[in-house]
Amino acid sequence: DSGVTQTPKHLITATGQRVTLRCSPRSGDLSVYWYQQSLDQGLQFLIQYYNGEERAKGNILERFSAQQFPDLHSELNLSSLELGDSALYFCASTGGTSGNTIYFGEGSWLTVV
Amino acid sequence: EDQVTQSPEALRLQEGESSSLNCSYTVSGLRGLFWYRQDPGKGPEFLFTLYSAGEEKEKERLKATLTKKESFLHITAPKPEDSATYLCAVQDMDSNYQLIWGAGTKLIIKP
Repeated sequence: DSGVTQTPKHLITATGQRVTLRCSPRSGDLSVYWYQQSLDQGLQFLIQYYNGEERAKGNILERFSAQQFPDLHSELNLSSLELGDSALYFCASTGGTSGNTIYFGEGSWLTVV
Repeated sequence: EDQVTQSPEALRLQEGESSSLNCSYTVSGLRGLFWYRQDPGKGPEFLFTLYSAGEEKEKERLKATLTKKESFLHITAPKPEDSATYLCAVQDMDSNYQLIWGAGTKLIIKP
């Protein structure tokens, strides 16, 4: 158990809809990352937050947004969903007692139909 | 530009047949090199962090080593449960703690 908690584990939704994925980082970790992994593909970095502030942006679509709240949990909002958005979405955290090691959650499976 | 290349892309071994996975990297200044294991449909599981050339770390049948240009993940007498994709990633000193990922090596251990 990495200590990073993601909900929901699985989600099926229709094209055009909006979903929110939630992440609780490891206790004490200040930084949260979001990654996307499509079937048999590598990890694609989406966005990073540090103590509530956006720190880095990767290949995140304009239809996607994220935020980190004062209690350090984070949410990834995906809107106007398309079939190609079907993927595993991972949250990861670091900082605090993790040092610079990044620990991953088990992911949220999103299927868009 | 920071870059990480893993080889081979896939490796099939018989149970008990030892081998090594390679991770070659190019960074301006290495903050750390990370090895992860990923099972299908699961999140990457942290294995090791290496910080400087000459450093070695071991965990069960796995041993990671680091030089100035590459890292090796040595697998000794592997078992079928070691089958997974092994991912290598580096952090550049100037990267704001971002990870640059390799494409991974898919390891299959046959009983």
